[in-house]
Amino acid sequence: DIQMTQSPSSLSASVGDRVTITCQASQDISNYLNWYQQKPGKAPKLLIYDASNLETGVPSRFSGSGSGTDFTFTISSLQPEDIATYYCQQYDNLRTFGPGTKVDIK
Amino acid sequence: QVQLVQSGAEVKKPGASVKVSCKVSGYTLTELSMHWVRQAPGKGLEWMGGFDPEDGETIYAQKFQGRVTMTEDTSTDTAYMELSSLRSEDTAVYYCATGGPSGSYSFDYWGQGTLVTVSS
Repeated sequence: DIQMTQSPSSLSASVGDRVTITCQASQDISNYLNWYQQKPGKAPKLLIYDASNLETGVPSRFSGSGSGTDFTFTISSLQPEDIATYYCQQYDNLRTFGPGTKVDIK
Repeated sequence: QVQLVQSGAEVKKPGASVKVSCKVSGYTLTELSMHWVRQAPGKGLEWMGGFDPEDGETIYAQKFQGRVTMTEDTSTDTAYMELSSLRSEDTAVYYCATGGPSGSYSFDYWGQGTLVTVSS
């Protein structure tokens, strides 16, 4: 099975800060990676698909990059409504989610 | 627009089985590839399994092999996930999720979640 790791597990940042989360796959998954945002008590929401494509309707401050085993998710200017947990998910072989990164405001 | 509406919360005893439903509207179930994801209290997302359109078969995470069954009733556009031999660690919110009619490999649409509590 493909294992996914994320770092950091949590972070605190100020409004307007640039936030970066990394995701690493245990083997090459090409660009078969998605990013989700989950707010407490809610279902996850797709933000980025195929590693770098912004889902329709998602603000442009969110972006993704990477291929192979190493991926990055960025919020260019953190907003209060971005407080959530973010998950990467591979679909190269079956499906696996990363453990999540909790983002809050400093 | 795809909408997924799940059945209500369940309380089960250890060793029992639970069957969660996911009713599709906006499209027919045959146009979608349905998956199931669970989330234990305070924990992350865990993929359980789903339909692989390339093989035409349902694929399961190894962890749940032999204990989970995912089925579909195309006459009512309802997907089901049945988990057997329940233990306390199975207490979680269970979600159905799909990529939509485009055949996307991402989970664009999610049900509202069904809380399953396993307790004696």
